[in-house]
Amino acid sequence: AQSVTQPDARVTVSEGASLQLRCKYSYSGTPYLFWYVQYPRQGLQLLLKYYSGDPVVQGVNGFEAEFSKSNSSFHLRKASVHWSDSAVYFCVLSAPSSFSKLVFGQGTSLSVVP
Amino acid sequence: DPKIIQKPKYLVAVTGSEKILICEQYLGHNAMYWYRQSAKKPLEFMFSYSYQKLMDNQTASSRFQPQSSKKNHLDLQITALKPDDSATYFCASSQDWQYNNQAPLFGEGTRLSVL
Repeated sequence: AQSVTQPDARVTVSEGASLQLRCKYSYSGTPYLFWYVQYPRQGLQLLLKYYSGDPVVQGVNGFEAEFSKSNSSFHLRKASVHWSDSAVYFCVLSAPSSFSKLVFGQGTSLSVVP
Repeated sequence: DPKIIQKPKYLVAVTGSEKILICEQYLGHNAMYWYRQSAKKPLEFMFSYSYQKLMDNQTASSRFQPQSSKKNHLDLQITALKPDDSATYFCASSQDWQYNNQAPLFGEGTRLSVL
């Protein structure tokens, strides 16, 4: 079975500080991995995606994520957060054998404080 | 301008009634999907359609019926509504059912409350 775990339900960081949101997945092969963000009262927006190759992938707004097969992880990072980054972040997995079905983590609610 | 339009944004229904959630996409995509976001549960995949054909169904209840009248439409009919159906329903689309290196794009959702 495929699953995604985001161990931190809520994270609070100061504006300008660095950020890491954790994501662990369970899948027997190499999955497709995504990070989506949900701003208040809005839909989901794609931040970045990993299919293969370089384990560090760049996304929008200065976000990046690093894939680790040995750790079954896909952590999201940002060097310096802004108040507008406050949102809910979802780590998402798709099995290459089941393209149409995305498996979502529970989400991490990020609050950026002054 | 949103390219995936979901209507209505908010919906209140009484138990036992029937509602239709509308989704239209103007991206030229061939595959469309429905996901559900319930309180305290992760977003769950419900259905996928490709060229108006059902490809995958992960919804146990037959009360949920997708309807595709045009390639860029995928509505969701829910019958005999229950309070447990209260959730935000997201429509999504992608170029192809097998993604072709394109992650699905999501609409803004329809928030359904069943009283």
